[in-house]
This record gives sequence, C-alpha cells and structure tokens, in this order.
Amino acid sequence: DADVTQTPRNRITKTGKRIMLECSQTKGHDRMYWYRQDPGLGLRLIYYSFDVKDINKGEISDGYSVSRQAQAKFSLSLESAIPNQTALYFCATSPGTGSSGANVLTFGAGSRLTVL
Amino acid sequence: QKEVEQNSGPLSVPEGAIASLNCTYSDRGSQSFFWYRQYSGKSPELIMSIYSNGDKEDGRFTAQLNKASQYVSLLIRDSQPSDSATYLCAVNGPPGNTGKLIFGQGTTLQVKP
Repeated sequence: DADVTQTPRNRITKTGKRIMLECSQTKGHDRMYWYRQDPGLGLRLIYYSFDVKDINKGEISDGYSVSRQAQAKFSLSLESAIPNQTALYFCATSPGTGSSGANVLTFGAGSRLTVL
Repeated sequence: QKEVEQNSGPLSVPEGAIASLNCTYSDRGSQSFFWYRQYSGKSPELIMSIYSNGDKEDGRFTAQLNKASQYVSLLIRDSQPSDSATYLCAVNGPPGNTGKLIFGQGTTLQVKP
C-alpha cells in the first residue's frame, strides 16, 4: 500500500457542489499539506497542518477548508466548487523539525478534480 | 516577483549531454533547497536536497547553491531519455517560517535519443 493515499483519484462534479478530498498516511509524519497544481503554475500551497491542533493557510486558501481528523488524516473540502478549482490536487507529508529530512515531502498520487 | 522562479522550458538536450536546470528565489533568509522530479501524470519525487553553499553530488545529479546570488541549480550528467520529466525547484522558508515549501513552476526537460 502507498505511504500517502488520496481518495478519490478522479472526480467530476458540477458548479456549486460540495466536494471532499481525503488523504491518509502511514508514515507517522506530523506534518501534512494540500497543494494544487495547474499547468504552468507549479505547485501552490492551499493549507498545511503541523499537528492535529495546528492548521495554517497557504498561498491560495480562499474557497477551501480543511480538517485534520487525526495525525494520519487530513481532508480538503470545497464548500461550493467552481470551474477555476479544476486542477490536480496533491496531499503531502513531512516529518517536521528535529527529524532527519524534516522538510522533505512525500506526495500522494494526486486527485484530479474537474468542476463543470 | 515570484518567490521561486524557473524557466518553464522545454529544455531539450541530446542523450549523453549535461542538462542544466536553474532556479532563483527571492527570500534571502531561505535555508533549505530541494529538487523534485515529476513524470507526466505522476506525483513529484525528491531527487536532491541542499542546505549549504557549494556543490552536492549524488550519482549523475549535482545540486549547486549560491545563497549570495539566491540561485540554485541542478546538473544532470550523461542525460538519459528516462530523465525526461518536469523538474521542480522548492525552497523552504527562513527561521520562524520554515514549515512550508514554495515551489517554482517547474522546468520541462526533454532528452532526445
């Protein structure tokens, strides 16, 4: 099984619908992240969490919310999806400070979301 | 100015040549620098990290960091067609804000047989 698992892998939805992307990890990492990737724009950080009680906004958090249900689970929600949220979404984890490779990210396989 | 900038390419090199990928960053306090490789339709994977000025070699890959010039590069020697991918430069923040990586837009490398 993958260390970082994202579900669903692909989703097509309509404008105005609520969507949740889920991420779970078996690496035991404290830190979890949600990134969005658009052609020509690289990876942009949406939200990140350093532990269950710590959640922070990234560069492009508007229109998104997150929930850190447990150390191993970090979900991204689009309350009312719009077409410009069509993108490839990646969840990632890292060990955090004090660990070897503290800021090295391990990515999930990605969730491709299309909003019509 | 973007925080991390890369030439989007594509950079095309013949098989066996040296590919040189470049990245500049705006925050002078940045401390950690990473190169990720991303094949089409796949997730990024780490290939190199560098934390101090100078060169760091790992097999065919060499990362170079110059903090004074705010410049980090990746050299790929003896380029192979399997190296064809998008290479993402990522930079970690200064003390007090080190928890998140900022990525460049990526450089697409094409290695032609």
